[in-house]
Amino acid sequence: KNQVEQSPQSLIILEGKNCTLQCNYTVSPFSNLRWYKQDTGRGPVSLTIMTFSENTKSNGRYTATLDADTKQSSLHITASQLSDSASYICVVSLKRGSGYALNFGKGTSLLVTP
Amino acid sequence: KAGVTQTPRYLIKTRGQQVTLSCSPISGHRSVSWYQQTPGQGLQFLFEYFSETQRNKGNFPGRFSGRQFSNSRSEMNVSTLELGDSALYLCASSLEGGGREAFFGQGTRLTVV
Repeated sequence: KNQVEQSPQSLIILEGKNCTLQCNYTVSPFSNLRWYKQDTGRGPVSLTIMTFSENTKSNGRYTATLDADTKQSSLHITASQLSDSASYICVVSLKRGSGYALNFGKGTSLLVTP
Repeated sequence: KAGVTQTPRYLIKTRGQQVTLSCSPISGHRSVSWYQQTPGQGLQFLFEYFSETQRNKGNFPGRFSGRQFSNSRSEMNVSTLELGDSALYLCASSLEGGGREAFFGQGTRLTVV
């Protein structure tokens, strides 16, 4: 069973609307939790990175929240744009051995339509 | 500052062959990690190299190997290719490893026929 679960699997919204993507994780304790945006055929680009003690982090129209008690994170996108169409991936970094291991969710595919 | 560069971008190989992929990290970054991305499994961690040493390894068979050179450039090798190895292979660099923010390259799209 994947240790990082994302929902919904896919989402279609109208341009200008807001949306919220969910990430539930079981890995603990973790070093940090990240949200990445991945356009089709390209590498992921970091949106936010939060440590265990942070509750929220914003990057323009993207706001990530973290509830370490319930092991949930969300990514809220405000006033969506066509360019927001992409896959959004939640990643939990876990200390392992002398380094770190990244645990990836399978992503939420977002389509913003005119 | 140049980003993470992966070569080649696209590759087609036949079953049984071997392949070598290259990753040049951001200047000054010493950690390079490799990932396999497929539609069904999403992104999966292959291994991490730091200062020429493999520091962490995912759950992939021994056909998948890698190395890192003194200039932090890294190569990944897959031997005896199988159809299921078809995927987007991504590398990411960071200053010191997974505890820090990682920057991804554009990936190498490998197709095994």
